[in-house]
Amino acid sequence: QKEVEQNSGPLSVPEGAIASLNCTYSDRGSQSFFWYRQYSGKSPELIMSIYSNGDKEDGRFTAQLNKASQYVSLLIRDSQPSDSATYLCAVSTGGGNKLTFGTGTQLKVEL
Amino acid sequence: GAVVSQHPSRVICKSGTSVKIECRSLDFQATTMFWYRQFPKQSLMLMATSNEGSKATYEQGVEKDKFLINHASLTLSTLTVTSAHPEDSSFYICSVGDVGNEKLFFGSGTQLSVL
Repeated sequence: QKEVEQNSGPLSVPEGAIASLNCTYSDRGSQSFFWYRQYSGKSPELIMSIYSNGDKEDGRFTAQLNKASQYVSLLIRDSQPSDSATYLCAVSTGGGNKLTFGTGTQLKVEL
Repeated sequence: GAVVSQHPSRVICKSGTSVKIECRSLDFQATTMFWYRQFPKQSLMLMATSNEGSKATYEQGVEKDKFLINHASLTLSTLTVTSAHPEDSSFYICSVGDVGNEKLFFGSGTQLSVL
C-alpha cells in the first residue's frame, strides 16, 4: 500500500522562527510532490510543488526533495501567526492527478 | 490555478435522505474531477474519479451505489450521497486537476452532518 507519513504535531514555533515540516513516502516511483495548507474547516490550498531533487523556493516557503531517501520537507521562514494551519504532504501515485495525502502536521505559530 | 466552486458548503439532513453536492470548474473544462472525503483529524481520502461522459471510477471500499457521481458536462460534476446515515457525516471535497503537472485544486468543501 502506498503511504505518505507525517508527524501529526502540533509543531509549535515562535513568531519569526523557521518551521520545518517533514514527510516520507513509500512509493519509489512517485514523481510529483506537493504541500497543501489547510485551515480548520476549510479545503486544502496548494502552496508548493516539487518534481526534482533539491530545493525549490517561493517567497518564505522552501520545499526540499530527496528521492533517494524518499523524503520531502517544507521550510517556512519568518513564521507568522497566519501560518498556523495543518500542512498536508501529497504524493502523486499512478499519474493523472491521483494524489495520496499524508495525515498532515498541525503548525502553531505563537506570538 | 483552477477555480473550483462547490455547493452547498454545509448540509444537515435526516438519516435516510439523499444529499446532492455540486462541483463546478469555473475557468477551464475538466474532463476529470476528483471527490475526496475527510473525517476529523484525518487525511483526505480519494473516493472516486469522475469522468466526463462516462462512468466514475471508484476507489476500493467505496460503495458506488451509495455515492452516485454524475459528470454530464466539462464543468460540472455532482456527488449524491444516497440514504445517508450518521457514519456518512464528513467533509466532502471535490477537486480539479491541472493537466500536465498533476496539481490539484480544491473546491471549498461540503460539511455533511447526518442526524
